[in-house]
Amino acid sequence: DQQVKQNSPSLSVQEGRISILNCDYTNSMFDYFLWYKKYPAEGPTFLISISSIKDKNEDGRFTVFLNKSAKHLSLHIVPSQPGDSAVYFCAAIPSLFSGTYKYIFGTGTRLKVLA
Amino acid sequence: EPEVTQTPSHQVTQMGQEVILRCVPISNHLYFYWYRQILGQKVEFLVSFYNNEISEKSEIFDDQFSVERPDGSNFTLKIRSTKLEDSAMYFCASKKSGELFFGEGSRLTVL
Repeated sequence: DQQVKQNSPSLSVQEGRISILNCDYTNSMFDYFLWYKKYPAEGPTFLISISSIKDKNEDGRFTVFLNKSAKHLSLHIVPSQPGDSAVYFCAAIPSLFSGTYKYIFGTGTRLKVLA
Repeated sequence: EPEVTQTPSHQVTQMGQEVILRCVPISNHLYFYWYRQILGQKVEFLVSFYNNEISEKSEIFDDQFSVERPDGSNFTLKIRSTKLEDSAMYFCASKKSGELFFGEGSRLTVL
């Protein structure tokens, strides 16, 4: 069951430009969303999160947008830097009142920032 | 900065052998998880653990798998009789409230 989907397996962006990574979900019970970055042979590193009561959260060069009606979120990185080259995973969790603690991850998008 | 640590970083084992992967979660965290990632595939949930018991597990987490928190600091994943398809990166994670913090992973290779 692919409840969290990242339809673009890879993305290449020039240094200094904006990177936009997309994520779609199917479960309307999800209400907390996270983005993780993963370098090869390392664990995922938390980047930024957003709860369903917001439509935008910003942290430095990273901004996450949530469109609940479309069940879509996106991560914007601007300006992109070569060190941002990694695999980016979105993850979602249902409401804390749903009784589940299971974070569901997407398949990942490999971002390559070209110098 | 506190971090989740995992050992070993890489383990090679023969099919049918038992494997124990160890994790030290961040000390004031309350929820503990194991995830795995088969090469080229997505990060898959295995099990969550809270208040000294399994709170949730996936269909992957069958009778061959078990978890323990034996001493209040370590959190272990045991695979009783490894299969070739258990070859993957295994990630331990912990959380206090919102985001999960992951360890560096333990690569398991089953021959």
